[in-house]
Parts: sequence; C-alpha cells; structure tokens
Amino acid sequence: EVQLLESGGGLIQPGGSLRLSCATSGFTFGTYAMSWVRQAPGKGLEWVSGISGSGIGDYTYYVDSVKGRFTISRDISKNTLFLQMNSLRVEDTAVYYCAKGAAALGVIDYWGQGTLVTVSS
Amino acid sequence: EIVLTQSPATLSLSPGERATLSCRASQSVSSYLAWYQQKPGQAPRLLIYDASNRATGIPGRLSGSGSGTDFTLTISSLEPEDFAVYYCQQRSSWPYTFGQGTKLEIK
Repeated sequence: EVQLLESGGGLIQPGGSLRLSCATSGFTFGTYAMSWVRQAPGKGLEWVSGISGSGIGDYTYYVDSVKGRFTISRDISKNTLFLQMNSLRVEDTAVYYCAKGAAALGVIDYWGQGTLVTVSS
Repeated sequence: EIVLTQSPATLSLSPGERATLSCRASQSVSSYLAWYQQKPGQAPRLLIYDASNRATGIPGRLSGSGSGTDFTLTISSLEPEDFAVYYCQQRSSWPYTFGQGTKLEIK
C-alpha cells in the first residue's frame, strides 16, 4: 500500500524558513516523479514543485512564484521527499500536499494528507 | 502558462441525475488532461487521466472525453459519494495547472 506522510508544517513569520518532509512507503521511491502541490485556505490547487524519477536525472521544476526561494530534493536511502522553503511570504500560507507521480509524467496517483503552513506575523 | 477554466462553478443536482462538468484550456493541451475529486478535509483523488482513462478503482459511471481545448467529465448517474469538488489539470506544459474547480452539490 502506497503511503505518503508529510511533516514539518507550522506557524512561521514572514521571511522565515521551513523544511517539509514526506516519508514514503509501498513503492520504489526513486523510480517515480514526486511533487509538492499546495492549497491556500478555501482555494484551489497549485502545483508548486516537482522532481523527476530515476532514469532521466534529478530534474527539478518550480512554479515562478517560488523559484529561487523553494528547493525540492529527495533522499532515496530514506524514501523521503523534502521541500526547503525560504523567504516565506504571507501568500505561501497553504496546505502542502506531497504527491506521487503516476507512470504518465504530470499525473498524480497518490496524495499525502497534507501539512499546513501558516505564514503570519 | 496554460489557464484552465471550469464551468459551472457550482452544479446542483439530485442523486440519480447525470452530471456534466466542463474544462476549457487557454491553448491546446492535446489529451494531457486529468480530473481529480476532492472532498472536504481530504486530499484530492485521481479520477481520469489523459482525458478519458479511468484511474484504478474508479467506477464506470464516471467518464472523460475531449481533446485540444475542450474537455468534459460525465457522471452518468450520481451517487451520494459523488458530491464533492472536481478539478481538471493539464500536463501538456510546465507549470502544470489546475482549473479553479466545480462544486457538485446535492439539490
């Protein structure tokens, strides 16, 4: 059974940093693309960042609003995905979902339960 | 960035009725469109990928169609568990984007 468990969310002041983690199990972690998708309170979904699966290098991609501030990475030995978030802004407030890519790139077949990040003074 | 526009914003129907949800892309996404369902307090769930392929475990009453810029998610006969918010999403080009959602509510 595929499981994705996020942690690391919380309340942080503007300009601060947080590191989100996503512990995974039930699949060959390094094989699949992984992503972070966020949802601001009462709003829709936004695909924030992704990292490619093995075989095509660790290609990473970011939405423009987080480029230069967020860094996605993974530790294959620990089956864990990370999102380092620096220079946080009020508009980064959201539930952050860890997401597993399907065989088709750009499709998400499993989601974590989400972790809430609140950026406020 | 490809913008996806979903309509209607809210759809009020009764169990047993047919639901038709639309998603229009600002430029062609070929068949690279997926549909997700989200219930309150839950993560989204993949329903359809590449316009018309049902994900594992998705019942046959849900179907997707379309290509290019116009897509449709159809639920042939609504069950109580179908009332939720539905999002379309394109994977034709980065950044992958979602529509703003259609809320399917019980009439």
